[in-house]
Amino acid sequence: DVKVTQSSRYLVKRTGEKVFLECVQDMDHENMFWYRQDPGLGLRLIYFSYDVKMKEKGDIPEGYSVSREKKERFSLILESASTNQTSMYLCASSLIGRGFGNTEAFFGQGTRLTVV
Amino acid sequence: KNQVEQSPQSLIILEGKNCTLQCNYTVSPFSNLRWYKQDTGRGPVSLTIMTFSENTKSNGRYTATLDADTKQSSLHITASQLSDSASYICVVANSGGGADGLTFGKGTHLIIQP
Repeated sequence: DVKVTQSSRYLVKRTGEKVFLECVQDMDHENMFWYRQDPGLGLRLIYFSYDVKMKEKGDIPEGYSVSREKKERFSLILESASTNQTSMYLCASSLIGRGFGNTEAFFGQGTRLTVV
Repeated sequence: KNQVEQSPQSLIILEGKNCTLQCNYTVSPFSNLRWYKQDTGRGPVSLTIMTFSENTKSNGRYTATLDADTKQSSLHITASQLSDSASYICVVANSGGGADGLTFGKGTHLIIQP
């Protein structure tokens, strides 16, 4: 059973904290993605990575960074958490990067982050 | 600008009834269209993927249609069950432009009542 696993389902952090969201996939996919999902806005791409140590900015990268040291792991970092980063964060992986191609893409279960 | 519009925003139907969700898009050049089901508090799960040449695709009680000429897609759910209560997201991929080549709709929130 293929899996994308996010390290936490729920997180509560204080303003100014450095926050790490971890995502691991077991499908040997080259491409991994981080999205945030907010009511009325849908999913928005933060960053994606098409290879180890490679990354590309998405639509809303400000306030975030990422790390991909190993193929199976893609981390999202909030350098200094702010209340406007309270959101649902979703990790995804796929064989094909841009547009997922015509291949399947798999999402993690999501991390609901609350910054207080 | 690439856009995906879904309707209705929310829908409540009785268990056992059928329903149809709509997706209109202005994404170009078109690559494929996907429907995802997202249970509350969970990640999206793929239901169907359709390319330009496909008009219809089924996954159990879910049937998606695609009209590439009018740039419209629909997701039909037959004999709804309580477990169908979820958000349904239409996603359109383009073959060029955009950081990840995907445009997401905002979803239709479906509630099935017993």
